[in-house]
Amino acid sequence: NAGVTQTPKFQVLKTGQSMTLQCAQDMNHNSMYWYRQDPGMGLRLIYYSASEGTTDKGEVPNGYNVSRLNKREFSLRLESAAPSQTSVYFCASRGRGTTGELFFGEGSRLTVL
Amino acid sequence: QKEVEQDPGPLSVPEGAIVSLNCTYSNSAFQYFMWYRQYSRKGPELLMYTYSSGNKEDGRFTAQVDKSSKYISLFIRDSQPSDSATYLCASPKAAGNKLTFGGGTRVLVKP
Repeated sequence: NAGVTQTPKFQVLKTGQSMTLQCAQDMNHNSMYWYRQDPGMGLRLIYYSASEGTTDKGEVPNGYNVSRLNKREFSLRLESAAPSQTSVYFCASRGRGTTGELFFGEGSRLTVL
Repeated sequence: QKEVEQDPGPLSVPEGAIVSLNCTYSNSAFQYFMWYRQYSRKGPELLMYTYSSGNKEDGRFTAQVDKSSKYISLFIRDSQPSDSATYLCASPKAAGNKLTFGGGTRVLVKP
């Protein structure tokens, strides 16, 4: 039972490089989210998608773009990486009508040099 | 001021002790509350949720909400080394809305 799968798990980039984090869920959930987690800052929402075909900004969207490719997949793109984007990135999904339980992936650890 | 705040810890206790975790929130729109547990190098997972003031028990875990003082607590009885993790409180402002997370409290239970 895969749940939420993120790739890659680890990545090192140089400043200015671009990359895409991939996320896929197999629970037929409508809503998907991208968070970043930094020491002492907790989880901060970058972007979310309430349903296929829609995306909205979260708390810290600057420097990121997202694509909801289909119901299963939600990708996060860094067009020109900066050291401030060094973080652990989590994708999550939530089904319709739930109390708010999010199902998280295992995280993608990104270092920008 | 963050809408949900937690002491980052670490909170270190001996095995078998009661762990007491706290969270404060500032927005009265928060209607129900959740505790997530996150093991090292893993994603968070839902531990408990509660809708209203009062206590909710689930095995060794008790969640408590005091809406009058905007205070949320999680108690872990008979703590085990396997309880060593970071505990995050969270709340949506309304049903179905995005969650706002606290910074998390790291707990270490020593054998």
